[in-house]
Parts: sequence; C-alpha cells; structure tokens
Amino acid sequence: GAGVSQSPSNKVTEKGKDVELRCDPISGHTALYWYRQSLGQGLEFLIYFQGNSAPDKSGLPSDRFSAERTGGSVSTLTIQRTQQEDSAVYLCASSLQAGNQPQHFGDGTRLSIL
Amino acid sequence: SQKIEQNSEALNIQEGKTATLTCNYTNYSPAYLQWYRQDPGRGPVFLLLIRENEKEKRKERLKVTFDTTLKQSLFHITASQPADSATYLCALVSDTGRRALTFGSGTRLQVQP
Repeated sequence: GAGVSQSPSNKVTEKGKDVELRCDPISGHTALYWYRQSLGQGLEFLIYFQGNSAPDKSGLPSDRFSAERTGGSVSTLTIQRTQQEDSAVYLCASSLQAGNQPQHFGDGTRLSIL
Repeated sequence: SQKIEQNSEALNIQEGKTATLTCNYTNYSPAYLQWYRQDPGRGPVFLLLIRENEKEKRKERLKVTFDTTLKQSLFHITASQPADSATYLCALVSDTGRRALTFGSGTRLQVQP
C-alpha cells in the first residue's frame, strides 16, 4: 500500500503477557518512529530509527519496551510483562529522513491491558 | 524544561468563520514547526511546515505564521467548514539532538453548521 500500515489495529491482552506491534513504513522512507498516545493526550515519543544508525531509544518508558527494525523496513515494538498503564494507542510514522521532514502516520494499534 | 503548549479547551466556531489556533513553545529554538490534523481513531496527517525565516505559509484555506521572537505559531483556517472539525497538533524538533518530533497536546476544533 501507499501509506504506513500497522497491525493489529486492536489488541486486548491480560496483564503480564507480552505483545508485539508491527509497523510497515512507506517504501523508501529511511526514518521510522514510534509514539504512544493515551486517551485525550498528546503524542509521546518512544523510539526512532534512522537508516543503519543506532536507534534513539531515549523515549522508552521502561526496559519492558523494545523495538527493532529489520532490513531497514518493517519494525516491531515489543512490550514485555504488560501493565495496565501500558494501555494506549501506539502510533508508527515514517519519513524520508529523521528531523524536520513531514511524518506519515499509520492509524495505530489500540492496546488494552485487562 | 522544554514545553509546547496548545489551548486544551475546544474551539467552537460557526461555519464560514476563520478559526485561529495557537501554539506556544518555551526553551526551544526550532528551525521548523509543523502542523498536523488528527481525526478520532486515526493517525495524525501532516498539513504544513514553516521554516524560521518564513513569517507566513499558506496552503488553500490554511495559513500558518511563525514568530520566533514571541515563540509562537498561529494556525488559521479561513471559510471554515464542518469537515474541518478535528484536533490540530503543532510539532517541532527539539534542538537538543533528538531528531524526532515533539508534539503539543492539540486543540480540538468544532465547526458548527
């Protein structure tokens, strides 16, 4: 497709389980970002990847969160031992390069922890 | 600390009027500022980017101003329509080295027919 694709669109899981969220960026975009948006709140930066450089993980809230980007394309955000406060919409975006380029967002994964 | 502030109260206006949304920032010296639109249940959509040496940028019914002295950007929608109802987010890149966008919390615009 032409846009950023995220899957699943919704995920409900029990507290303590691990979850994996997937992002397919726009082809040719070297930068990929993960954000979290809680109900009625703004976007909270989590992590970004730029080409083959080491990712900027400075926004990850705890060591239960990790992300990887394979082959410079698809990215997976993993949350281990989920907690109720992890419930949020997780948004992925890509851009031609990191920095001031416009970002193109997917519609997110709505994660609910029971 | 660095902050981006948008009016958290919803802005309600009548169709045909001009909507003006404000974005203020502190402890940033951004070279660029971006505006996005977000509809419920969807990801943000890029609207406009303005550079620090551009006082004003226009795109169709949209106009953005950028005052680096006041540390403020104004976002205008002229001849507003009910379809313009959405949350509008401003964003900029921190000058501390992180090259991801930092977003304001957004202002919800409701255009009444």
